[in-house]
Amino acid sequence: DSGVTQTPKHLITATGQRVTLRCSPRSGDLSVYWYQQSLDQGLQFLIQYYNGEERAKGNILERFSAQQFPDLHSELNLSSLELGDSALYFCASSRDTGLQYGANVLTFGAGSRLTVL
Amino acid sequence: DQQVKQNSPSLSVQEGRISILNCDYTNSMFDYFLWYKKYPAEGPTFLISISSIKDKNEDGRFTVFLNKSAKHLSLHIVPSQPGDSAVYFCAASDGANNLFFGTGTRLTVIP
Repeated sequence: DSGVTQTPKHLITATGQRVTLRCSPRSGDLSVYWYQQSLDQGLQFLIQYYNGEERAKGNILERFSAQQFPDLHSELNLSSLELGDSALYFCASSRDTGLQYGANVLTFGAGSRLTVL
Repeated sequence: DQQVKQNSPSLSVQEGRISILNCDYTNSMFDYFLWYKKYPAEGPTFLISISSIKDKNEDGRFTVFLNKSAKHLSLHIVPSQPGDSAVYFCAASDGANNLFFGTGTRLTVIP
């Protein structure tokens, strides 16, 4: 157990629907990162929050949004779902604000597998 | 555009032999490199890292080599064990809150 908890583990939904993925970071970690892994693709960075504030943005679609709450858990909202949104969504956490201080190692959760039919 | 590339999707090695996983990158501003290992149904876990000011970092059976001029790094596992069978991701940091991952290499260690 990495200490990063993601729910749900699996989710099947239809095109056009909206889903919310939840992440609880490791105790003491202030940063939360969201990554998407599609079939045969690497982990694509979506967005990072630090202590409730958006800190960095990657290739996140406008249909997707995220937030980090005062208790530091984070939610990733995916709306108007398309078939191509089917993927593994990973949440990771870290203590530091970012990677500029060297090995800011990310601790990953087990992922949420989203299937859009 | 994939800034970190792992061109070998899979690798099979006999137990006890050396496993060499390769990674190429395009961005010369990357200053820190990491390897993550992923087992099925689990998230990636950190394995080993190297700063751009070094060319080698060793941790037990795992050694990472960095060739900055070639924009290439490799992970050596010796001796390889069946428990090393996993997907290995190479990642690079640009020092600005961004961590770029490769597509992964599936290592199978044959007993």
